Amino acid sequence: QQQVKQSPQSLIVQKGGISIINCAYENTAFDYFPWYQQFPGKGPALLIAIRPDVSEKKEGRFTISFNKSAKQFSLHIMDSQPGDSATYFCAASQSGAGSYQLTFGKGTKLSVIP
Amino acid sequence: DADVTQTPRNRITKTGKRIMLECSQTKGHDRMYWYRQDPGLGLRLIYYSFDVKDINKGEISDGYSVSRQAQAKFSLSLESAIPNQTALYFCATSDWNQPQHFGDGTRLSIL
Repeated sequence: QQQVKQSPQSLIVQKGGISIINCAYENTAFDYFPWYQQFPGKGPALLIAIRPDVSEKKEGRFTISFNKSAKQFSLHIMDSQPGDSATYFCAASQSGAGSYQLTFGKGTKLSVIP
Repeated sequence: DADVTQTPRNRITKTGKRIMLECSQTKGHDRMYWYRQDPGLGLRLIYYSFDVKDINKGEISDGYSVSRQAQAKFSLSLESAIPNQTALYFCATSDWNQPQHFGDGTRLSIL
């Protein structure tokens, strides 16, 4: 049973455009939603994360939008650059009792073309 | 991230062999995790440990075992490797209620 559904599987965006990746979750107990960025040959690296007490979080060109009622969250990359070409994973976890067991989406391979 | 070191980085072996993947960390984190990554499937949790005396099964623990030899070391074993265990394996660490930090992975191929 997949608890975090991520789309699209792949995405091609022109340099300067906006990249949008969407995720939906089922478990209403999830209260921590990170996005990870992975380059070939490297492990995933935390990019940005949000908790459900806010609807949006922005760090530089990266923004998470969160819709608690719809159980959806998305990553927006503004002014996309070729260096942003990577695989992006959304994830979710419950932080109760200090648990941070992450459930990952299946990933989105982003290609930013010049 | 050299703070989380996985060895070996690549391994090719045969069906039925026992394999051990090792993870060590210098971040001083209590919690350590093993994940498996398959193309199109994301990362799935195999085992996790909150301290040396605490080991827990994750989503896909069958066919795997782990050992937490010290606070900084967490190894993953495949007792009798099979081809469908061919994958990328990642170790991660975290502090209580803090994000997980991943190593650069071990690419394991089982023939």
